[in-house]
Amino acid sequence: SAVISQKPSRDICQRGTSLTIQCQVDSQVTMMFWYRQQPGQSLTLIATANQGSEATYESGFVIDKFPISRPNLTFSTLTVSNMSPEDSSIYLCSVEGARDTEAFFGQGTRLTVV
Amino acid sequence: GESVGLHLPTLSVQEGDNSIINCAYSNSASDYFIWYKQESGKGPQFIIDIRSNMDKRQGQRVTVLLNKTVKHLSLQIAATQPGDSAVYFCAENTDTDKLIFGTGTRLQVFP
Repeated sequence: SAVISQKPSRDICQRGTSLTIQCQVDSQVTMMFWYRQQPGQSLTLIATANQGSEATYESGFVIDKFPISRPNLTFSTLTVSNMSPEDSSIYLCSVEGARDTEAFFGQGTRLTVV
Repeated sequence: GESVGLHLPTLSVQEGDNSIINCAYSNSASDYFIWYKQESGKGPQFIIDIRSNMDKRQGQRVTVLLNKTVKHLSLQIAATQPGDSAVYFCAENTDTDKLIFGTGTRLQVFP
């Protein structure tokens, strides 16, 4: 299984500001995924990030709000832009397993917007 | 730290008993189904998966059952232990290779 590290693990931010979350994987992976988990809720896919191409966003998520970078096969960032209290969530980075079925997750970034 | 799953359905079991967690999925074209365990302050952890051409798969102390007729998935945990306390999510790997997560169930184990 892949080891995934996310930074920061948590943050409290002022509304209107932006936060960039980093995801580092200990092996090269083709696809990386970003999820949001709102309080008391399940996980919702934000976007899929492939190296060398623009991220693919799910319905309800747009690049201006959640810009993603994928500069190489082991790293990605997700930025939460112009934050509001509704953006308070856990944001999770994920990669596919070797069998391209199961996914492995980082520990998440717990964001609180005040 | 803050708990995941504050408003999720809760299953309470006594230590040593068996637990059964259920999940309904939506996409009949999904080809893999996966169970995850999420402890407070951590990301989801893979437990076990099952292909759509199977109806049962066993792991260590866990069994997953798949009923495609009614689009139902269950996770059975034998001899539940305090360390099993967590939120459990099912997920389906759809025909577009995306994971769709179920709503989750919080398992509480009491002595």
